[in-house]
Amino acid sequence: DAKTTQPNSMESNEEEPVHLPCNHSTISGTDYIHWYRQLPSQGPEYVIHGLTSNVNNRMASLAIAEDRKSSTLILHRATLRDAAVYYCILSTYGGATNKLIFGTGTLLAVQP
Amino acid sequence: NAGVTQTPKFRILKIGQSMTLQCAQDMNHNYMYWYRQDPGMGLKLIYYSVGAGITDKGEVPNGYNVSRSTTEDFPLRLELAAPSQTSVYFCASSPTPWLAVNTGELFFGEGSRLTVL
Repeated sequence: DAKTTQPNSMESNEEEPVHLPCNHSTISGTDYIHWYRQLPSQGPEYVIHGLTSNVNNRMASLAIAEDRKSSTLILHRATLRDAAVYYCILSTYGGATNKLIFGTGTLLAVQP
Repeated sequence: NAGVTQTPKFRILKIGQSMTLQCAQDMNHNYMYWYRQDPGMGLKLIYYSVGAGITDKGEVPNGYNVSRSTTEDFPLRLELAAPSQTSVYFCASSPTPWLAVNTGELFFGEGSRLTVL
């Protein structure tokens, strides 16, 4: 099964951009790349997703490498509220047992 | 908006006891899911449902059962609690076929923390 690899932790300063990397070298052609984040003691929250092209929404941007073996979540101006664990996820259709493959997650600390 | 509501938020069970984790959503979503999250780990899919009366196993279904009699509710049953089931359980729902067509957004509840002693 395709899996993702993320750094365990990263730090950023408030108001600065943050680039969160994710490697998924065994991604298949039909796998979508999703990003979720999890604030302390809360359920995960959707951030963004994409297939091949870069994507933008009000929360973040997703940059996908041309070979799709890596992607980067971009928070344009980090705030204290962005401190969370960020999960890079591949959604894989596996027939009878559909799996949502979670990466290890990156703990983002935002300094004031 | 209530979204996805889970009860209870916390529960301590003794080995061998049974209980049901409740999950309700008010967004008229057809797709619902149960995940567990062990400390420091990502989420693993236990069971999912694509509509009332239809359920299927995820990655780690052993020791659990589910039912889906209505669109709104998707309870998770633990029949004989074991220490290995100590975890945080998250229920989620989706308006689109998240797993089947690799698109869509999952809406998560706030979680139910279960400890089995």
